Amino acid sequence: GQQVMQIPQYQHVQEGEDFTTYCNSSTTLSNIQWYKQRPGGHPVFLIQLVKSGEVKKQKRLTFQFGEAKKNSSLHNTATQTTDVGTYFCAGSRLTGGGNKLTFGTGTQLKVEL
Amino acid sequence: DADVTQTPRNRITKTGKRIMLECSQTKGHDRMYWYRQDPGLGLRLIYYSFDVKDINKGEISDGYSVSRQAQAKFSLSLESAIPNQTALYFCATSDPDPARDTQYFGPGTRLTVL
Repeated sequence: GQQVMQIPQYQHVQEGEDFTTYCNSSTTLSNIQWYKQRPGGHPVFLIQLVKSGEVKKQKRLTFQFGEAKKNSSLHNTATQTTDVGTYFCAGSRLTGGGNKLTFGTGTQLKVEL
Repeated sequence: DADVTQTPRNRITKTGKRIMLECSQTKGHDRMYWYRQDPGLGLRLIYYSFDVKDINKGEISDGYSVSRQAQAKFSLSLESAIPNQTALYFCATSDPDPARDTQYFGPGTRLTVL
C-alpha cells in the first residue's frame, strides 16, 4: 500500500533558527496537505498543494511540492516558541472510491530559548 | 461550539471490556473518519465512511468496528479491549470536493487499556 515517510522524526532548534521537514511518498500523489498539532491538541490543517512544483508561503512557512508529486517540504524561518508542535504531511491519492489520504509519521519540533 | 466533538475525552478501562467512542459533527460533511495516534507512528486510519450507508476499513481495522448512525454521528467500538489499543483516538470529517479534501479533527479521546 501507499507509504508516506517523514523526516526527521524530531527536531530541536534554537529560537530564531530555521527548520525543515521532508515528506516522501512511495506513489504519485494528487495533492499533499500539511497539518500542525500543538502539544495536547489535535491536528489542524495548514495548507494544500496540488500542482507539480508548487510553492506556497504562509507567514514564516514555505511549502513545496516536488515536480514528480511524490515529495514535499515545509520550511520555517526564524522559528519561535509558538511554533512548537508536531507537523504532519498527508498525501492524497485518487482511488476507485475517491481520494485516499495517508499521513506521514510527523516531525516533532521543540524550540529552545 | 466546536464543529467536531468526541466523547469521552479520556477513558481508562480493563482488558476484555467493550468500549464505545462517539463522534458528532455540525459541519454537514458526509465523510467521517476514525484515526489512532501512537508516538512515532503518526495518524493511522481505522475506518472511514463517505456517507451513512458507506463503511470502509482503513489500514488498521482489526479489533475495531464502527457504526454510522446518521450523517452527523460516527461511533467507534472496541469489542474486547486489549492493552495495545491504548492510544489517542481522533475522529475527523472532510468535504468531498477534492479541492477542499482537508480533514477537520475532533479534540481526541485518550484511551488507556489496563
